[in-house]
Formats: sequence, C-alpha cells, structure tokens
Amino acid sequence: QSVLTQPPSVSGAPGQRVTISCTGSSSNIGANYDVHWYQQLPGTAPKLLIYGNSNRPSGVPDRFSGSKSGTSASLAITGLQAEDEADYYCQSYDISLSGSVFGGGTKLTVL
Amino acid sequence: EVQLVESGGGLVQPGRSLRLSCAASGFTFDDYAMHWVRQAPGKGLEWVSGISWNSGSIGYVDSVKGRFTISRDNAKNSLYLQMNSLRAEDMALYYCAKGSGTIIDNYYFDYWGQGTLVTVSS
Repeated sequence: QSVLTQPPSVSGAPGQRVTISCTGSSSNIGANYDVHWYQQLPGTAPKLLIYGNSNRPSGVPDRFSGSKSGTSASLAITGLQAEDEADYYCQSYDISLSGSVFGGGTKLTVL
Repeated sequence: EVQLVESGGGLVQPGRSLRLSCAASGFTFDDYAMHWVRQAPGKGLEWVSGISWNSGSIGYVDSVKGRFTISRDNAKNSLYLQMNSLRAEDMALYYCAKGSGTIIDNYYFDYWGQGTLVTVSS
C-alpha cells in the first residue's frame, strides 16, 4: 500500500491526451511539499520527467506537463506516442515519515 | 555527464550482510545529498535511505531502520549502503540516486544509476 495513490493503469490511442493522478494527504502533498514525476521505460532506470510540480528538465518534451492542487497532483501527456509506453511514478516528501514517498506507479499503454 | 555506477549486489542468505557502493562522477559530489531507492521484482519504487551533503542528516524508511546504514566518502565520490540482517523482502534492484539539493527533505532525484541486484535466498 503506497502512501501516494496512483491508478494502476491508463491507456490511450496515439495522438490522444491522458492524465495520471497522484493522491496524497496532509502529511505530504497537502503539507505543501512538491510533487515530482518519473518515467521508467521497460528494463531501464527511472528518469526524472517533472520536478517541482510542473517543471520539465531539459530535454523533456512539452507534451508532458504537471500540476498540483490541494492533496493531489496530475501528470498530463498530450499527443501520445508509442515511445511513451512506460511506468510513471509520482514522488513527494512525507513529514510524518521523515522521508520520500512514491506512488505505486501507473502503467501507460499506447493502444 | 553525470554517472552513477552501483556495485556490490549479489546472492546472499537471509540474515547475512552485504555492502553496496555507488561511484559518482560528472558533478561536484559533496554539493548534493545522495539516496538509495529500491525496486522489488515487478513492483514499484521505494525510497530506502538518504544522506545529506556532509553526512549531517540521514534518513531511512522504517522497514530498514536498525539494519541498514548509509554513508558517503566525499573524497572518493562514493556512496555506500551497509545492509545487515537481510530479509527476503529486501530482495530488489537497488538504485543510487542523486538528490536535487544538499539536504534530504523536499527533494527529487535528478539522476539514477542502473542499479545493482540484491537477491536474498537460502
């Protein structure tokens, strides 16, 4: 049971838009801690996708965007491409646990 | 180019110990906190431990407290994880990850190694 809750899977056709939610609580996202997102392609290490709720590292396409409100955050991917098929994880800091926490991960399938 | 290379994984019996290492290059190592994150086979990511730039602040996930010890040697640009009293549930791919700042709270992981596999089995 992960501290941050994500849907296990989402899917969309090429060119479509999908969103992945990440729900936390008052001890993490709701405590004003930032949310970050990672993309893990099959058989590879995770890669930073979004940091500080909505910022993209250099090299990440602007098809990827993040937002945060209250105790939740979302990752949106527009113009879906086959290469986006991967697992996506949200991450934040939890003051009660005094450590970082991840969501359980969401598997994106491009139909 | 930032590089993080983990080593030290392997097959170990329950109750035994293992020491993981992470060799860092391509950035000023002692300017950043460092972390270990693990991923059990077919499962999600779990933060294991973090250490601030000067080792002054250290944190662990509850399940490893008292068994694992994180440390760093800034002169050698290296991060370590001493794992004692290993359990079957510790079996995972262990990633070394660079923190986004000097301390270990409200951070993200901007670079990751390829991981080293720890198998706990009799």
